[in-house]
Amino acid sequence: DQQVKQNSPSLSVQEGRISILNCDYTNSMFDYFLWYKKYPAEGPTFLISISSIKDKNEDGRFTVFLNKSAKHLSLHIVPSQPGDSAVYFCAASAGGGSNYKLTFGKGTLLTVNP
Amino acid sequence: DVKVTQSSRYLVKRTGEKVFLECVQDMDHENMFWYRQDPGLGLRLIYFSYDVKMKEKGDIPEGYSVSREKKERFSLILESASTNQTSMYLCASSGPSELFFGEGSRLTVL
Repeated sequence: DQQVKQNSPSLSVQEGRISILNCDYTNSMFDYFLWYKKYPAEGPTFLISISSIKDKNEDGRFTVFLNKSAKHLSLHIVPSQPGDSAVYFCAASAGGGSNYKLTFGKGTLLTVNP
Repeated sequence: DVKVTQSSRYLVKRTGEKVFLECVQDMDHENMFWYRQDPGLGLRLIYFSYDVKMKEKGDIPEGYSVSREKKERFSLILESASTNQTSMYLCASSGPSELFFGEGSRLTVL
């Protein structure tokens, strides 16, 4: 049973517009959520995280929103740039804000067109 | 900067061969992980270790074993490689707020 779901395998947006990547989870014990970005032939790199005590976290062009009642989080990228084209993984953990033993979604391939 | 180094970026092995994938981290992290990444399946946890000589199975441990003799080094072992183990293997170590990944080892089993 997949506990972290990214239902859109791919997303295409125009440069300068907003990219919205979605993630749903089923395990109510999850209390810490992260987004990772991965380029081909490289390891994933950490992008942004959010604890369940918050509903929004912002870092530059990247904002993550958490809706605990809906068990849903989203990553907003504004404005989108061609260099943002990558696979984005949503991840979650349970255990008081630790990133120990993350559960990952299947990823969403974002393509930002110039 | 945290560095997680995987010894081989690309390997080609034959079915039945024993394969070692090595990973070293330089941040004195206690927790280390091995994932595999396959198209459409995301990152799946194979094994993790929370201390020297300690290990726990992840979600897909079958066909794999691990070794952690020193804190900085975590090895993934395929005792007898099979074609369904062709994949990208990612090692990670765990800081206080995030996982740090290595660049990955692309293994092809013929």
